[in-house]
Amino acid sequence: GEDVEQSLFLSVREGDSSVINCTYTDSSSTYLYWYKQEPGAGLQLLTYIFSNMDMKQDQRLTVLLNKKDKHLSLRIADTQTGDSAIYFCAEIPGGYNKLIFGAGTRLAVHP
Amino acid sequence: DSGVTQTPKHLITATGQRVTLRCSPRSGDLSVYWYQQSLDQGLQFLIQYYNGEERAKGNILERFSAQQFPDLHSELNLSSLELGDSALYFCASSVRDRTSGYTDTQYFGPGTRLTVL
Repeated sequence: GEDVEQSLFLSVREGDSSVINCTYTDSSSTYLYWYKQEPGAGLQLLTYIFSNMDMKQDQRLTVLLNKKDKHLSLRIADTQTGDSAIYFCAEIPGGYNKLIFGAGTRLAVHP
Repeated sequence: DSGVTQTPKHLITATGQRVTLRCSPRSGDLSVYWYQQSLDQGLQFLIQYYNGEERAKGNILERFSAQQFPDLHSELNLSSLELGDSALYFCASSVRDRTSGYTDTQYFGPGTRLTVL
């Protein structure tokens, strides 16, 4: 079936690293995505990873993919208050065009 | 700014009414997707158009319909509105789509917040 699961809440101290985890079900998903939604705003594409990669780094963001376990993680280094938002993991299952989203992880950054 | 525009930003209407939400994709994008974000259902795919033709359908109610025009903008029509239709409606666009042999990244607009009273 189609299902993407994420933990709902994460609280970190400013300056620490944040790790948001996600599991997906469709092994034929070619790309996996991370989107960010700030309060009252739309969905901003943060990064994506191709399924034949294990890791992708983009400035403070590191995406790790464990294809065997269908596990995806997003690490934000040196987390700032401006990183407070909801982070969505998403996949496009094989044979489909639609994105399947997780429920979103609310990241709270405190001083 | 993703380059995808949506109007209006906010819409308040009454039950039983009909509304139209508009989306303009990024320049050069042929594919338009509509998603609904609600508190109880999360982000759900509604429908996709590719170069004017319906390409995929998701959890879209029969009271809802959409189309993509020759200039590639799209409209989502919601009729006989109910309280439960209150949600944030997103449009996204991509250059092509997966069934064309590609997996193109979808870029989202800012959304239209619909409130049905």
